[in-house]
Amino acid sequence: AQTVTQSQPEMSVQEAETVTLSCTYDTSESDYYLFWYKQPPSRQMILVIRQEAYKQQNATENRFSVNFQKAAKSFSLKISDSQLGDAAMYFCAYRSGSGNTPLVFGKGTRLSVIA
Amino acid sequence: DTGVSQDPRHKITKRGQNVTFRCDPISEHNRLYWYRQTLGQGPEFLTYFQNEAQLEKSRLLSDRFSAERPKGSFSTLEIQRTEQGDSAMYLCASNPWDRDDNEQFFGPGTRLTVL
Repeated sequence: AQTVTQSQPEMSVQEAETVTLSCTYDTSESDYYLFWYKQPPSRQMILVIRQEAYKQQNATENRFSVNFQKAAKSFSLKISDSQLGDAAMYFCAYRSGSGNTPLVFGKGTRLSVIA
Repeated sequence: DTGVSQDPRHKITKRGQNVTFRCDPISEHNRLYWYRQTLGQGPEFLTYFQNEAQLEKSRLLSDRFSAERPKGSFSTLEIQRTEQGDSAMYLCASNPWDRDDNEQFFGPGTRLTVL
């Protein structure tokens, strides 16, 4: 079974600074997808960024980028120019590549942004 | 398109009572997923549907839990004889099935408290 590990329960960052959230995963599959989801306080979860395992190029979405190291099974999220609205729980998630199967989530990292 | 909706948003019940939650996915989304999220944890998969067919159930889904999606649109999740350990946020998500990279769109969740 696949597992996702987020080793940082809490992180904090100064506004306008950069922060990196860590995620490692374990799988024997070669075809899969990785996601970072954001869950603001009392609001629903939204997708931040996704990475297809077959793509070597790291995904980027505006201020959000990932460092995908397939051999090391590592998938970290970098948030640049942090904003107060970035404060939330961030979940790393794995999905098998064979069809729209359920997500496997890590335990999450709570990010605080300090003004 | 108003997104995934869930009802009720909060439910407080006494141990031993039955509860039912409803999820309305985004229209035209064939796949619908149920997850459970306890405090300090990431969401854990419970079950999912493609149209009205229930494709997979997690071993977390005990005999007291049942889910339906009778017409392939909304879904219900029923918990019979609730226990205090059932207290959690129950999340619903949906997506179309025809693209492997499809993100799952989450609803706001139903927070269940069992006294």
